Amino acid sequence: QKEVEQNSGPLSVPEGAIASLNCTYSDRGSQSFFWYRQYSGKSPELIMFIYSNGDKEDGRFTAQLNKASQYVSLLIRDSQPSDSATYLCAVNSRGQNFVFGPGTRLSVLP
Amino acid sequence: DTGVSQDPRHKITKRGQNVTFRCDPISEHNRLYWYRQTLGQGPEFLTYFQNEAQLEKSRLLSDRFSAERPKGSFSTLEIQRTEQGDSAMYLCASSIGNSEAFFGQGTRLTVV
Repeated sequence: QKEVEQNSGPLSVPEGAIASLNCTYSDRGSQSFFWYRQYSGKSPELIMFIYSNGDKEDGRFTAQLNKASQYVSLLIRDSQPSDSATYLCAVNSRGQNFVFGPGTRLSVLP
Repeated sequence: DTGVSQDPRHKITKRGQNVTFRCDPISEHNRLYWYRQTLGQGPEFLTYFQNEAQLEKSRLLSDRFSAERPKGSFSTLEIQRTEQGDSAMYLCASSIGNSEAFFGQGTRLTVV
């Protein structure tokens, strides 16, 4: 079982819609959770982090964490074509290194 | 620029040669990570340092790979006797403890 799993996509949504990206993780001891955006040929860029169960909002982005279900998600409201990228979920397990999922490729259609 | 800096940005080398990459983290960050990423995959963990101590190494890090962070500031990643399978983007990131990590621009290695 992979430590961090994501649907590889591509996930296609129309401009202005809500994009929902999901991530599951295997280590119940995981403490902190991160979403990165990566444009083709570029390095990952931090979007959000979340440590506690519930929702955390930052502009058009909302991260949701459910530790009991070992599930973290990212919602992007009012999706724009510039949001088209690969979204990486990362988990920091027990204060050690960051483990990344394979990423979900998002395409926002004008 | 106070972000994470990596050098070189691109490296083309012949199979069997040794290569060394450098990473300068954000100045107050005590943790430094190395990852490798191939096309269509997420970053794969290689190793990380807390200050000058190398705390963890991935099983992916064969004996041809070595990393150092001699004074707890910049770090180097060396690959000896490169193979075509080493072609990838090598990413460095830094953080304060286990808080959010910030990535450099990466070094793209091509082994021919």
